[in-house]
Amino acid sequence: AQTVTQSQPEMSVQEAETVTLSCTYDTSESDYYLFWYKQPPSRQMILVIRQEAYKQQNATENRFSVNFQKAAKSFSLKISDSQLGDAAMYFCAYRSGEVGGSQGNLIFGKGTKLSVKP
Amino acid sequence: KAGVTQTPRYLIKTRGQQVTLSCSPISGHRSVSWYQQTPGQGLQFLFEYFSETQRNKGNFPGRFSGRQFSNSRSEMNVSTLELGDSALYLCASNEGLRDSSSYEQYFGPGTRLTVT
Repeated sequence: AQTVTQSQPEMSVQEAETVTLSCTYDTSESDYYLFWYKQPPSRQMILVIRQEAYKQQNATENRFSVNFQKAAKSFSLKISDSQLGDAAMYFCAYRSGEVGGSQGNLIFGKGTKLSVKP
Repeated sequence: KAGVTQTPRYLIKTRGQQVTLSCSPISGHRSVSWYQQTPGQGLQFLFEYFSETQRNKGNFPGRFSGRQFSNSRSEMNVSTLELGDSALYLCASNEGLRDSSSYEQYFGPGTRLTVT
């Protein structure tokens, strides 16, 4: 079974600084997708960034980028120029891409609560 | 397009009762997935429906059930409520295709269920 681990329950960053959230996963599958989701206090889960396992290039979305280390099964999220609106719970998630795999569901880590200090 | 909507947003029930939660996916989305979110267990997958059929199921007891209608709207039902069922129930939709182009799930705001 696949597992996702986020080892940092809470993180704090100064506004305008850079912060990195860690995520490791375990799988025996070769085709899968990884995601970072943001859940602000209002509770609406929003996709931040996604990475296809077959792509070597790290995904980037504006101030958000990932460091995808496939061999190490590591998928960290870097937030540059942190803003007050980045304060939220961040969830790392895994989704199988294999036929017959659990394609319909996401497997989530426990989350990291990010605080941004003005 | 309107986002995923869930009703009701808040619900208080008594132990032993049953409850039905509703989810309307984004227009054109045929897959609806349900997740339970609790402080202790985090986010856990309940089940996924696609074209009115359950396509995937998580590790939850049979008290948790769901269905999907022809318009892709979905309901989940929890019977014989227990205190431990208190949680935020999230619904997510996507196009439901099995290719790589439709893997993004869009979440609703959730239904906060409190069992007393």
